[in-house]
Amino acid sequence: SQQGEEDPQALSIQEGENATMNCSYKTSINNLQWYRQNSGRGLVHLILIRSNEREKHSGRLRVTLDTSKKSSSLLITASRAADTASYFCATDGPHGGNAGNMLTFGGGTRLMVKP
Amino acid sequence: AAGVIQSPRHLIKEKRETATLKCYPIPRHDTVYWYQQGPGQDPQFLISFYEKMQSDKGSIPDRFSAQQFSDYHSELNMSSLELGDSALYFCASSSFGFDKENTEAFFGQGTRLTVV
Repeated sequence: SQQGEEDPQALSIQEGENATMNCSYKTSINNLQWYRQNSGRGLVHLILIRSNEREKHSGRLRVTLDTSKKSSSLLITASRAADTASYFCATDGPHGGNAGNMLTFGGGTRLMVKP
Repeated sequence: AAGVIQSPRHLIKEKRETATLKCYPIPRHDTVYWYQQGPGQDPQFLISFYEKMQSDKGSIPDRFSAQQFSDYHSELNMSSLELGDSALYFCASSSFGFDKENTEAFFGQGTRLTVV
């Protein structure tokens, strides 16, 4: 079964609006990370939230984590056209504390911010 | 700041040929991950290495192999290439072994492999 499933798959908003993307996962985790990817480009790390954290902020980004519901949300406030990209969540661990945790990515949300 | 370096950036191979992708992690990172991303798909985990030993294995075909060298760079070797191997291949690194609570993975720009 797939870890880190994203909702919605595509989101189109006007510049200045807020964008909220959700992610659900199935197994227990050490942390959850959000990444951004422009078309055909590399994945850029945005923010990491640990399993014992409930909310984290970074600039215009706000991430929440609800481990009881196995879900996370990424909020981008005051969106800009340059925020247009795909956003992925990725879960990590716990794999029993062994080294070399792998990140499992969800399907991604394609965000389009119209100017 | 130094980032993850992947080479080559683009590679075109014919069916049944072999390909070698290289990844140079961020200095002092001890963990390397390989991912495959097909067109319009999410990245799929292939394999990871920690301190030069394979640590996790995902959906990596038997035709592929990888290793991490003493200088922590990693190579993904792909043999008997098939059309379906055409994808973006990403390498990422983290300092997992140093700080198990803070495993941000930083990705390279990827190698775009096209099999014709």
